Amino acid sequence: GESVGLHLPTLSVQEGDNSIINCAYSNSASDYFIWYKQESGKGPQFIIDIRSNMDKRQGQRVTVLLNKTVKHLSLQIAATQPGDSAVYFCAENENDYKLSFGAGTTVTVRA
Amino acid sequence: DAGVIQSPRHEVTEMGQEVTLRCKPISGHNSLFWYRQTMMRGLELLIYFNNNVPIDDSGMPEDRFSAKMPNASFSTLKIQPSEPRDSAVYFCASSLRQGNQPQHFGDGTRLSIL
Repeated sequence: GESVGLHLPTLSVQEGDNSIINCAYSNSASDYFIWYKQESGKGPQFIIDIRSNMDKRQGQRVTVLLNKTVKHLSLQIAATQPGDSAVYFCAENENDYKLSFGAGTTVTVRA
Repeated sequence: DAGVIQSPRHEVTEMGQEVTLRCKPISGHNSLFWYRQTMMRGLELLIYFNNNVPIDDSGMPEDRFSAKMPNASFSTLKIQPSEPRDSAVYFCASSLRQGNQPQHFGDGTRLSIL
């Protein structure tokens, strides 16, 4: 089957540095991708999305890059803060309503 | 703006008991999803409603699980009878169905079946 996977299960980053979280996907038909942040005891929180007709999209302190050639998605967080510590999931659409979630990357910010 | 609201936040009950989880989606959203999250299996879609109608229930584990959406602002997920292996965090999410739109999640119900 096809699935979304993450390259690294954990990421430790110094406060103030930039973070890059990577995600590989295998379904070339996917045309919509989302990044979620999940803090302990809370539900996944929408961060940013991107459609396949785009290569890059920027939000507040976050940038998502999509490389369709190698089926790779990344989330960049600028000036990482302690509040950015969480599990980050990428998700791709399987159809017009169903999302396939990756396993998640745990980001820990060092003070 | 109010997000997706779930209740209860925590539920601890003995096996064999009926469990009812509740969800209020974001006002105006016409799609609603129930998910289950465990360490072993991650996030699994249980059921998807569009305009209050169940569209895809292929993820519902077995007949002990049922879900309803009597109106646009309320949905329930029921487990009867409950078993220890049902212990997990159950999330409700909602979205607009207009092309691809992000799903917005509630903070979940942590269910423990003893």
